[in-house]
Amino acid sequence: SQQGEEDPQALSIQEGENATMNCSYKTSINNLQWYRQNSGRGLVHLILIRSNEREKHSGRLRVTLDTSKKSSSLLITASRAADTASYFCATVITGANSKLTFGKGITLSVRP
Amino acid sequence: SQTIHQWPATLVQPVGSPLSLECTVEGTSNPNLYWYRQAAGRGLQLLFYSVGIGQISSEVPQNLSASRPQDRQFILSSKKLLLSDSGFYLCAWSVPVLETQYFGPGTRLLVL
Repeated sequence: SQQGEEDPQALSIQEGENATMNCSYKTSINNLQWYRQNSGRGLVHLILIRSNEREKHSGRLRVTLDTSKKSSSLLITASRAADTASYFCATVITGANSKLTFGKGITLSVRP
Repeated sequence: SQTIHQWPATLVQPVGSPLSLECTVEGTSNPNLYWYRQAAGRGLQLLFYSVGIGQISSEVPQNLSASRPQDRQFILSSKKLLLSDSGFYLCAWSVPVLETQYFGPGTRLLVL
């Protein structure tokens, strides 16, 4: 079964709007990461948040982590057409260092 | 800077034929190396990972195998391909201790 489950599975928004994507996981983690994948390409790391952190920012990205609820959210502000991609959350499970467990991903479409 | 290469980019193989996918990393030493498979519309499934030459951990029992003959070379092989081996194969590397992974461009394999 998947460690990470993203929600929603697909999201379509207008350029300029904010996009919020959620991820839930099942077991204790060391950190949670978000990756982006453009169609037919490899994944690109976006941001990492550790289990003792609650919020992180990187440019237009804001990630939150609630370890009590075992959930994370990724917010992309002022979205652009170039943000159209699949987004994956991935966790490093406590005691399983060096290995990432990925969710199924969220397909984000940003309409120009 | 570090670079990761995968080849071939696309491969069409008949059922029962052998497989060899190669991944090489430049610009770093003693990386952790990973092979993932991504089925259409799904997340990434970790197949193998390696923390050093000759050290391979298998995550999913199947007819695939992996080898690491050199520090920065990771090979995915099969003696006889199955239809179910079709998918998008991604190689990734990470610096030991740091958990961010960097992905190659991927190989799309179609088994007919």
